Amino acid sequence: DAMVIQNPRYQVTQFGKPVTLSCSQTLNHNVMYWYQQKSSQAPKLLFHYYDKDFNNEADTPDNFQSRRPNTSFCFLDIRSPGLGDAAMYLCATSREGGRGRNEQFFGPGTRLTVL
Amino acid sequence: AQSVTQPDIHITVSEGASLELRCNYSYGATPYLFWYVQSPGQGLQLLLKYFSGDTLVQGIKGFEAEFKRSQSSFNLRKPSVHWSDAAEYFCAVGAGGNKLVFGAGTILRVKS
Repeated sequence: DAMVIQNPRYQVTQFGKPVTLSCSQTLNHNVMYWYQQKSSQAPKLLFHYYDKDFNNEADTPDNFQSRRPNTSFCFLDIRSPGLGDAAMYLCATSREGGRGRNEQFFGPGTRLTVL
Repeated sequence: AQSVTQPDIHITVSEGASLELRCNYSYGATPYLFWYVQSPGQGLQLLLKYFSGDTLVQGIKGFEAEFKRSQSSFNLRKPSVHWSDAAEYFCAVGAGGNKLVFGAGTILRVKS
């Protein structure tokens, strides 16, 4: 089945220790998104790629970076995780469609714990 | 700017009872609207979507939603709730630049 895969499902890191979260997709979608979701809150968009074009949200901290080496894979790098970065990180994909016409398909998420 | 309001943070219904989750949106043009469900520790799953046409939209798991332009609403309904429906539900509107704007979510509890 076509899907969005996130690895690992659970990640524990130490305060200030860089961490990378991985997302892959078999849907061949143009657009890939990274969201941060804290407990009982809506997902918050960090950035997205439209093909190779990177689109950062204005309020995304510089501590968060992303890479998309090819259509299928996208990585979220947190350079120096703080306690406030503990959250669920969701990857999503969509076909191009403009104005959010096309639905986003979500992966199961990676739960990040910062000690 | 686009926004979505889900006025109910928590809702509790009895198993077998009907359900309606409210969603109001703010968007200048014809909205593209979505309802997603999230079980604990999981990603979001699309229940249904509205782009145009029939204002009553059928989704998966027996859910439906009705788009009412005059009320700027897109409420989610289910005639008979099952215990497995307990989850968090997010309404979203398609915004510019391939983005979605999410509401804050409604947590549904089902009591037996």
